[in-house]
Amino acid sequence: DGGITQSPKYLFRKEGQNVTLSCEQNLNHDAMYWYRQDPGQGLRLIYYSQIVNDFQKGDIAEGYSVSREKKESFPLTVTSAQKNPTAFYLCASSTLTTWFEQFFGPGTRLTVL
Amino acid sequence: AQKVTQAQTEISVVEKEDVTLDCVYETRDTTYYLFWYKQPPSGELVFLIRRNSFDEQNEISGRYSWNFQKSTSSFNFTITASQVVDSAVYFCALRLNRDDKIIFGKGTRLHILP
Repeated sequence: DGGITQSPKYLFRKEGQNVTLSCEQNLNHDAMYWYRQDPGQGLRLIYYSQIVNDFQKGDIAEGYSVSREKKESFPLTVTSAQKNPTAFYLCASSTLTTWFEQFFGPGTRLTVL
Repeated sequence: AQKVTQAQTEISVVEKEDVTLDCVYETRDTTYYLFWYKQPPSGELVFLIRRNSFDEQNEISGRYSWNFQKSTSSFNFTITASQVVDSAVYFCALRLNRDDKIIFGKGTRLHILP
């Protein structure tokens, strides 16, 4: 089955530690995205990538970093510089055709203690 | 600037009632796309519908229907004969033809009471 996988579903980290969230897709999509969702809020874009080895900052990139070494993978690192990292993180992918929708993974809930 | 407003933060209705979720968008672009997504308690966003700015025809899919009106910049979503499984957060979203990003509204949390 084609889709997007994110692991783990729940992640706990101590304050001051970097943590990397995994996102893999087998839909052969060129574009991948990371969103953050806080309670009662919509989705806010962190980073996105349209091609391997290239990515752009979204609206709230500070304290986060990404890499895109393979078309299928777009890991997100939440660094210690992110002041309030506890949130629900969603990964998405799409074709480059703008009128196509984005497909979403199941999300990772990160809690920093 | 582009913006999507979902004024209803939370709605509760009794099962089998009809319910309409409002979505108002702002853009000066003439070519754009509108989307609705459903986020059940599991967390994953599920795509429901896509509409382009040149197609104002309303759409019906089973118990779901969408009313797109450019004159009022609205793209409302109606669930007919609601069911408990419809309980979720629903997001309206806007994508410009010239942009890579989707702009999401803050979502409407829908509770269907048995």
